[in-house]
This record gives sequence, C-alpha cells and structure tokens, in this order.
Amino acid sequence: GESVGLHLPTLSVQEGDNSIINCAYSNSASDYFIWYKQESGKGPQFIIDIRSNMDKRQGQRVTVLLNKTVKHLSLQIAATQPGDSAVYFCAERRSYIPTFGRGTSLIVHP
Amino acid sequence: DSGVTQTPKHLITATGQRVTLRCSPRSGDLSVYWYQQSLDQGLQFLIQYYNGEERAKGNILERFSAQQFPDLHSELNLSSLELGDSALYFCASSDPPDGRGASSTDTQYFGPGTRLTVL
Repeated sequence: GESVGLHLPTLSVQEGDNSIINCAYSNSASDYFIWYKQESGKGPQFIIDIRSNMDKRQGQRVTVLLNKTVKHLSLQIAATQPGDSAVYFCAERRSYIPTFGRGTSLIVHP
Repeated sequence: DSGVTQTPKHLITATGQRVTLRCSPRSGDLSVYWYQQSLDQGLQFLIQYYNGEERAKGNILERFSAQQFPDLHSELNLSSLELGDSALYFCASSDPPDGRGASSTDTQYFGPGTRLTVL
C-alpha cells in the first residue's frame, strides 16, 4: 500500500553535531513534502517544505533533500542544539490531502 | 504562538457522550484542517474546510462531524464516544489559498490541541 514512513523511531546526537532524519514514501504521485517539528505538549510546527520538481531546499540550519528515484526524503539539521529535541514528522501531500509519517524522536545531548 | 486557538485544552468525558471542540484559525486563513493524534495511529488527517465548505475528507468516522462558520471558526463534533477516541485533536489553518481551496504551499499552522480523555 501507499505509505509515508520513517526509518528510525529515535535519533540521539551530541550538541553541535549534524542530524539527519530520514523518511520513505511510496506514492510517486505526491507533489509536495513537508517536515514538521513537534515539541512535547505542543502542536506540530512547520520547518521546511519541498516540491516534487526540486531535489534540495535550504532553510536556516535545515536542509531537505528529495530523491524521487528511491522515494526518499531527508531532513538535515546543522549544528544541532538542545532546543532541537522534539519529534519530527515528514508529510506528503496528494490531491490536497496530507499524510503524515509516524515521527522520529530527536534527542540532543548537551 | 501559531495564531490558531483551540478550546478546551483538556476534556474528560464518558463513553457514549458527545463533545464539541472549537478552533479559531489565524486571521486571514480560510482553510481549516482537523487532525487526530494518538499513540498507535500517529497524526491522522480528518477533514478540511475552506471558507465554510467541506473540501477534503480523510479518516473521519461517521460518528464525527465538523463545520466551519461564517466567521471562519470551526467546530469538530464527536458523538457516541468510545475509549479509543481518546487522543489529541489538532486544528490547523493554512496560508491564503490559491483559489482552489488549498494553499499552494500547504504551510499549515497548528493550534495547541485539545486532549480528549474518554473514560
């Protein structure tokens, strides 16, 4: 079936390291992808997005890479900080309906 | 603060009861989305409204219904509640739409959520 999933449920890194969170999708018709961050007790917060006609997009300390050949999406966080500790979700959109992955918990050790 | 407000923050009720969750979108946003987040199912899209009309439907049960009012606030009604309905319910609103009822970028701003506990 079609799905959006995450390879790792938990990722632990040291403060200052770069973090990479991965996401696999199987629906080649998806035209838009989004990464969200969710801190404990809060709603998801938009981080960065990318359209299917792009393969890379950069924001402030974050980069999203899209590999349509293998249907893979990744979020790179540079110089990870303790404040980056949260659950990160990838989401795909097809026909205006978003589908979210399960989430990866990022733990940043000081 | 995303600018999206949800009330109540917490709700505790019994099986078989009916509750109403309320959402006010960001100023200027015409689209409102409802999501359910539970430990076993993750974040699930329920339904979207655009300027008062239903635009997209996801995994919403028949016991659940929603509407968007002329002032653009939205309500999610959950009836005949079951233990499995216990979850976080989020509302989100999106950027000014592209005229087709969906944001061209789909940047959604989420509210703080309502935690529903069914006993």
